[in-house]
Amino acid sequence: DVKVTQSSRYLVKRTGEKVFLECVQDMDHENMFWYRQDPGLGLRLIYFSYDVKMKEKGDIPEGYSVSREKKERFSLILESASTNQTSMYLCASSPGGGDAYEQYFGPGTRLTVT
Amino acid sequence: AQKVTQAQTEISVVEKEDVTLDCVYETRDTTYYLFWYKQPPSGELVFLIRRNSFDEQNEISGRYSWNFQKSTSSFNFTITASQVVDSAVYFCALRLIQGAQKLVFGQGTRLTINP
Repeated sequence: DVKVTQSSRYLVKRTGEKVFLECVQDMDHENMFWYRQDPGLGLRLIYFSYDVKMKEKGDIPEGYSVSREKKERFSLILESASTNQTSMYLCASSPGGGDAYEQYFGPGTRLTVT
Repeated sequence: AQKVTQAQTEISVVEKEDVTLDCVYETRDTTYYLFWYKQPPSGELVFLIRRNSFDEQNEISGRYSWNFQKSTSSFNFTITASQVVDSAVYFCALRLIQGAQKLVFGQGTRLTINP
């Protein structure tokens, strides 16, 4: 079974703090993704990565950065957390190649910024 | 740009009723994939189905069925004889065949099955 794990289920941070959200997958997938989920807006893509040290902006990258130093790990960084970044964050991974494999999701991290 | 619309924000039915979740999509591309995911209370999205734009055949899997109609840009999902365990948020998503593997999600439909 593919397993995508995220470092925390719940996280509370203060405004202005630097926040790291970690995601690890154990199936040697090339592609990894970070989404945020908000009521009424569905899931929106923040950043994704096709390979180690490679990253591409998604639809809402402002206020975020990412790091992928190893194939299995994809980190989302909030450089200076703000209250409007309070949300559920979901990580996903999928195999590379030309076919449209489904994405496998982690359990999510519910981040509250106070 | 691509867009997916799930107009039903919340649906509540009594167990054993049939229920249909609507999904309408927009894209200028002629080749794409459509997906449905289920998000139970635990939070983890679970893949249900993938269809490509070349294949408009409907699909049935147990109590689940999907109706894909390119003419109306719709990919609707029906649960027959609903059960309490079907309670979840359901997402429809679209991905182009060419280019990046990013998914565009709809807003989600929260389905509640009451005993």
